[in-house]
Amino acid sequence: GENVEQHPSTLSVQEGDSAVIKCTYSDSASNYFPWYKQELGKGPQLIIDIRSNVGEKKDQRIAVTLNKTAKHFSLHITETQPEDSAVYFCAASRGYYGGATNKLIFGTGTLLAVQP
Amino acid sequence: DADVTQTPRNRITKTGKRIMLECSQTKGHDRMYWYRQDPGLGLRLIYYSFDVKDINKGEISDGYSVSRQAQAKFSLSLESAIPNQTALYFCATSDSFLTSGGKSSYNEQFFGPGTRLTVL
Repeated sequence: GENVEQHPSTLSVQEGDSAVIKCTYSDSASNYFPWYKQELGKGPQLIIDIRSNVGEKKDQRIAVTLNKTAKHFSLHITETQPEDSAVYFCAASRGYYGGATNKLIFGTGTLLAVQP
Repeated sequence: DADVTQTPRNRITKTGKRIMLECSQTKGHDRMYWYRQDPGLGLRLIYYSFDVKDINKGEISDGYSVSRQAQAKFSLSLESAIPNQTALYFCATSDSFLTSGGKSSYNEQFFGPGTRLTVL
């Protein structure tokens, strides 16, 4: 079945360093790849997403890259701050184009700890 | 996100009991989802509903049932709770738009704050 693998499961960085989280998906029909951030005691919240017709997308300190051939996508956070500490989930979906069900297949999550 | 609320936030129950988790939203979205989160397993889809008359099973629906009482309300029931249903449960919503091929979802899903369920 459809599967998304996510690594690492935990990541500890010093404030100001960069953090990279990687995901691999199995369904070649996936065309939408969001990243969600989950803070303690809260539900996941979308922070950035990328569609299959784009190779890279940036939003301030956050960037996502997509390699469709290898079925890999990654989240890059630069100049990390303590408030970046959270669990991050990648996901994959077929859901962008008309009629699709928009089911998200989530990775297993990465606990990012930014040390002051 | 206060637009998606879940009740209760925490629940401890015993094996065999019937439990209902409730989700309400004020976002006006027609699509609603129930997920389960377990450590090391991420979020897994239990059920989803595209409107009041449309209910679909997700990847782990066994042992669960749902009810879409109104566009804004989507409840998850455990008919006879068992300990391996101990988990964090999330409700989510998304909006839809019309295409030439029918309705499709905007991709962003908005999650509630979660319900922590413990089955003893």
